[in-house]
Amino acid sequence: KNEVEQSPQNLTAQEGEFITINCSYSVGISALHWLQQHPGGGIVSLFMLSSGKKKHGRLIATINIQEKHSSLHITASHPRDSAVYICAVIRESSGDKLTFGTGTRLAVRP
Amino acid sequence: EAGVTQFPSHSVIEKGQTVTLRCDPISGHDNLYWYRRVMGKEIKFLLHFVKESKQDESGMPNNRFLAERTGGTYSTLKVQPAELEDSGVYFCASSQDFREGRLGQFFGPGTRLTVL
Repeated sequence: KNEVEQSPQNLTAQEGEFITINCSYSVGISALHWLQQHPGGGIVSLFMLSSGKKKHGRLIATINIQEKHSSLHITASHPRDSAVYICAVIRESSGDKLTFGTGTRLAVRP
Repeated sequence: EAGVTQFPSHSVIEKGQTVTLRCDPISGHDNLYWYRRVMGKEIKFLLHFVKESKQDESGMPNNRFLAERTGGTYSTLKVQPAELEDSGVYFCASSQDFREGRLGQFFGPGTRLTVL
């Protein structure tokens, strides 16, 4: 079983819909990243958080340390949001290396 | 400011050959990481440099992989001899810690390696 689990694995939405991607982890962490990878593209860090909530434009990330759970929300989704979204954690006492989930492939239809 | 760059973007080689991947981190970033995604699996950590020193190489799969970061600037990852299971996308990332708090890692575009 992976230490970082994401759900769903695949998600198709209609433009304008509110989207939620979930991440659960089973280890103690010092921080959690949400990353985005467009088809054929590199990886972009969207958020790094260790508590509470962060917002950037239409993206919102939340984390509940006690429940070992994080969510990434996209409001008013758009076809350009289509990408793979990856949750990755920095484990406590393991330096800065990231432990990754398998990613959620999102397709937003016009 | 230039981001993390990787070269080549694609490499196709035959089993048994040698390939060298290069990563140029963001200028001034002391931390450099190598990661790999093989088909259908999650991205996995390979190793971490702090300047020219290997801080953590626990993810290196075997002794066919050799990473260097001479002078603490760019890094190379050599695979010799390459095997079929080495195929995947190799990502490099860099970061710099600040006293106020740790910033995230910045990723390069990756090198897609195909071993035939």
